[in-house]
Amino acid sequence: DTGVSQDPRHKITKRGQNVTFRCDPISEHNRLYWYRQTLGQGPEFLTYFQNEAQLEKSRLLSDRFSAERPKGSFSTLEIQRTEQGDSAMYLCASSYTGDTEAFFGQGTRLTVV
Amino acid sequence: SQELEQSPQSLIVQEGKNLTINCTSSKTLYGLYWYKQKYGEGLIFLMMLQKGGEEKSHEKITAKLDEKKQQSSLHITASQPSHAGIYLCGASNSGGSNYKLTFGKGTLLTVNP
Repeated sequence: DTGVSQDPRHKITKRGQNVTFRCDPISEHNRLYWYRQTLGQGPEFLTYFQNEAQLEKSRLLSDRFSAERPKGSFSTLEIQRTEQGDSAMYLCASSYTGDTEAFFGQGTRLTVV
Repeated sequence: SQELEQSPQSLIVQEGKNLTINCTSSKTLYGLYWYKQKYGEGLIFLMMLQKGGEEKSHEKITAKLDEKKQQSSLHITASQPSHAGIYLCGASNSGGSNYKLTFGKGTLLTVNP
């Protein structure tokens, strides 16, 4: 297992376009988290899945954002009608219930021009 | 909501010197996590502290959580260029190995050879 994988690593898009990111967690991990990190700030929690169920969403996750985790495996994060303020690093993390460590992926850096 | 304040914001040290990074919470911490991040990359887990007065060490890095569970410190002994990066503290205010974390803004460490 190569750890948490995120794709793409970088994405440049025009304002108003839709984008979708993918996260493949470590295979046996049942929990998956999405965070957003802007320059000079720490990561901010967006949403959390346990298996396929989305259990919590942050207020940061506006109606333009949607996340899914079909079949409890990989997850996708879609942003519709992107805005310049969406430019950030989007980080995915996974863990297993009871573990004290979550593993983060390398992130997807989104630039909205 | 919980806030974490890290100090200093940035730190430049000469190789071989010791250094300390602090993380202060506005609320009692259930779990305190330390991560390291290289610029533009994902987070690497360092240590997790839960109990008041707890101290953990890994190689040349020691993390402590105070008795009141509102402040943590990360100490690096005999720093090396490989220690350079952004150090982030993250806090959980609930149990169950929930990785909905609130992060500080990070401390940028530069180690000059």
